[in-house]
Amino acid sequence: QSVLTQPPSASGTPGQRVTISCSGSSSNIGSNTVNWYQQLPGTAPKLLIYSNNQRPSGVPDRFSGSKSGTSASLAISGLQSEDEADYYCAAWDDSLKEVFGGGTKLTVL
Amino acid sequence: QVQLQQSGPGLVKPSQTLSLTCAISGDSVSSNSAAWNWIRQSPSRGLEWLGRTYYRSKWYNDYAVSVKSRITINPDTSKNQFSLQLNSVTPEDTAVYYCARFRLSSVESYGMDVWGQGTTVTVSS
Repeated sequence: QSVLTQPPSASGTPGQRVTISCSGSSSNIGSNTVNWYQQLPGTAPKLLIYSNNQRPSGVPDRFSGSKSGTSASLAISGLQSEDEADYYCAAWDDSLKEVFGGGTKLTVL
Repeated sequence: QVQLQQSGPGLVKPSQTLSLTCAISGDSVSSNSAAWNWIRQSPSRGLEWLGRTYYRSKWYNDYAVSVKSRITINPDTSKNQFSLQLNSVTPEDTAVYYCARFRLSSVESYGMDVWGQGTTVTVSS
């Protein structure tokens, strides 16, 4: 049972906009920033969004993040086949640990 | 650019100690703008943060409650690397283990921006 709650799956067709939610509590998302990671099959997670809504260099602007209260969201616009992957949210929890969501498997139909 | 190279055995017997090393290139384990983490991933537990070490005038460690009694993360400044030791392993510790850098400044955190390649560790006799 992950501390942060994500839907197990999401899907969309090429060109569509898809949103993935991440729900936490006052001790993690409510008081700290949220990061998002993309994991392609057989590879290590890759940082996609940091500090709620910032993109590292090289991440397309099709990816965006937001946070409100104890929830966060990742949006992918102009969906492409190569976006098919697992997506994880993460945040520091004030109990002195990093916590992750259970992951959302994105399927591009 | 910064790279993390993991090494260590892929098979550990129950009750023994799991030991992994993460060698850093392009940054310093003593950096005051980074924390060095171990994370594991399994189908049953998903991504699970295990702990971190970092230097801010002195060395600090934080460990996950779930493994706190069994885990040690040590920096090695002479080799610019850090290590994971997990004692008394059981089959439940079977997972892919990753090391990762968490970059941060005094005003912002930048997430785990560099990851090792992952090591599949199986606990079995």
